[in-house]
Amino acid sequence: QLQLQESGPGLVKPSETLSLTCSVSGGSISSSSFYWGWIRQPPGKGLEWVGNMFYGGTNYYNPSLKSRITISGDTSTNQFSLQLGSVTAADTAMYYCVRRRGDSSHVDYWGQGTLVTVSS
Amino acid sequence: QSALTQPASVSGSPGQSITISCTGTNSDIGNYNYVSWYQHHPGKVPKVVIFDVSKRPSGISDRFSGSKSGNTASLTISGLQAEDEADYYCNSYTTSNTWMFGGGTKLTV
Repeated sequence: QLQLQESGPGLVKPSETLSLTCSVSGGSISSSSFYWGWIRQPPGKGLEWVGNMFYGGTNYYNPSLKSRITISGDTSTNQFSLQLGSVTAADTAMYYCVRRRGDSSHVDYWGQGTLVTVSS
Repeated sequence: QSALTQPASVSGSPGQSITISCTGTNSDIGNYNYVSWYQHHPGKVPKVVIFDVSKRPSGISDRFSGSKSGNTASLTISGLQAEDEADYYCNSYTTSNTWMFGGGTKLTV
């Protein structure tokens, strides 16, 4: 059974970089059948697609975040990470790491989510 | 990148049917059959209930069904049950190689 687990600071200061890691067990991030990515939900708001990585291939990012975001993977640890720079209070959200199927494009596995607050 | 358009809320009585619409453009819903729907109970992890417009994952009740016409996708839940009360989000692939969510619909049973 695939499991994803987010980790990282719960509090980030404005203008700094938000860094989260997703640890994957029960599957490999180097699989050619899946995308690995992030979805977030600001408090009281809806879901927002952040970005996906396809290991060894192209990454795709939300255009509204594209200038500030990097998603990368490490097969030696079977983890992938999110870095979001120059954060503001608008980046405060529950961040979920997810697996998206390449054949149908839907998200079939979610991490439990981690709340990141941007505040001084 | 604007969100897909969903009604903010819908409601129905137990046993009734409801439909949630999700309107996009020729660049997303109208161009691909990669539309999925997610059920999200507050405090829990979202769960896919429909993918590829009308397919149901294993374990999802056949009370959930999906369809698409032009730039609008729809999720129908028949035989409403109290446990169906949740937020529902549509999601579509786009011609920009990105994915887009709808704004979400709160279903009250």
